[in-house]
Amino acid sequence: EAGVAQSPRYKIIEKRQSVAFWCNPISGHATLYWYQQILGQGPKLLIQFQNNGVVDDSQLPKDRFSAERLKGVDSTLKIQPAKLEDSAVYLCASRGGVGLNSPLHFGNGTRLTVT
Amino acid sequence: AQSVTQPDIHITVSEGASLELRCNYSYGATPYLFWYVQSPGQGLQLLLKYFSGDTLVQGIKGFEAEFKRSQSSFNLRKPSVHWSDAAEYFCAVGALLGSQGNLIFGKGTKLSVKP
Repeated sequence: EAGVAQSPRYKIIEKRQSVAFWCNPISGHATLYWYQQILGQGPKLLIQFQNNGVVDDSQLPKDRFSAERLKGVDSTLKIQPAKLEDSAVYLCASRGGVGLNSPLHFGNGTRLTVT
Repeated sequence: AQSVTQPDIHITVSEGASLELRCNYSYGATPYLFWYVQSPGQGLQLLLKYFSGDTLVQGIKGFEAEFKRSQSSFNLRKPSVHWSDAAEYFCAVGALLGSQGNLIFGKGTKLSVKP
C-alpha cells in the first residue's frame, strides 16, 4: 500500500510570511495527526482529526496555525505569519483503526526553515 | 500528566557490540509503550510496542524491549549492532483520548555506530 504522502519536502521562508503543508494519508485511514518536531526534540502533537472532525487541537498555536481536513481525506496545515521558532520538521501520520492498538504510519515530513 | 524521559542524548557503540537505550515513563495507569526509529530525512518507523502480557517484547530488526513496572522503564536492547542501525530512536507512551490515541514522545537518543 502507498504510504503517507507529504509535500513539499523542504520549505524556506522569511519570518512573517505564510506557508502551507499538505498531507495525504493512507487510503481509508480515518485518523490523521500533525506533529511538530523541533531539532533535538521528539515529535509533539499539534492536531488530531477523526475523519473531518478535530479530536484534539489543544497544543496548536491557534493565533498562527490552522489545519483542515475538509473531505476527511487529505489535510493542510498552515502557518500565518511564521516565526523563527516555527523552524521544524512537520510530520503527518495516519491510523486506520481505533485506538492505540492500530499502527501509526508516518510520512517523511516537511522540513521548514524560517529565516 | 504523561511524560517520557530518554536520559541519553547520544550513544556511540562499536559494530557488533550490544546496545541498550534507556526509557523512563510517567503514566497513571498501565501504559501503552512504543519504540520508534527515525533515519535522517525519514519519518518514524515502529520497532515494537507493549500493551500487556509478556514484559519482554520482540520487535523488528532484532530489537527487543523489556517493560519493568517497578522501575517505570521500557529499555530497548539489541545483542549485536549493525552499522545500518545508526539512527535516532524515540520512546513513546500512548495517551488515550476518548476512543482514540495519541503518542507522547521522548526527546530521542541518537545512535552512532563505529566500524
